[in-house]
Amino acid sequence: DSGVTQTPKHLITATGQRVTLRCSPRSGDLSVYWYQQSLDQGLQFLIQYYNGEERAKGNILERFSAQQFPDLHSELNLSSLELGDSALYFCASSGNQGAYEQYFGPGTRLTVT
Amino acid sequence: GQSLEQPSEVTAVEGAIVQINCTYQTSGFYGLSWYQQHDGGAPTFLSYNALDGLEETGRFSSFLSRSDSYGYLLLQELQMKDSASYFCAVRDEGFSGGYNKLIFGAGTRLAVHP
Repeated sequence: DSGVTQTPKHLITATGQRVTLRCSPRSGDLSVYWYQQSLDQGLQFLIQYYNGEERAKGNILERFSAQQFPDLHSELNLSSLELGDSALYFCASSGNQGAYEQYFGPGTRLTVT
Repeated sequence: GQSLEQPSEVTAVEGAIVQINCTYQTSGFYGLSWYQQHDGGAPTFLSYNALDGLEETGRFSSFLSRSDSYGYLLLQELQMKDSASYFCAVRDEGFSGGYNKLIFGAGTRLAVHP
């Protein structure tokens, strides 16, 4: 158990809908990262927050947005969903050791039908 | 931009040694990490190299050559439970500097056979 929690575990929704994925980092970690992993694909970095501020961005679609709240939990919002958005979405957190050692949550499997 | 290359698949037998290579091209470089991911599971951190040389952690070792933009993960005394995907990742600077992000390779699927 990494100490990172993500909810929900599974999500099935229809095209055009909007969903929110939630992540709570390990106790004491200020950085939260979001990744997308499609079937048999690598991990695509989406966005990073540090203590509530956006710090790094990957190839995140404009339909996607995220935020980190004062209690350090983070939410990833996906809107106008398309079939191609079906994937595993991972949240990770890191502490003072920096981005190289990240602790991943169990992921949210999103299926868009 | 950044790119990392690693073999897509490697097969080995129990008890053997396997090496998974990773070459990278990045605009900035701060270190190379390795992660393991079992099917249906989350990635877990294995090792990190910021400087040239070999880092050993039990049956796993990781090597880095910054001049060659190359690293590898060495797995010894392979066990069936080592069957998983292995990802190399490089730290890259976020736009605020000092808050690095990780760029992952596409992963190497290791299959260990009896």
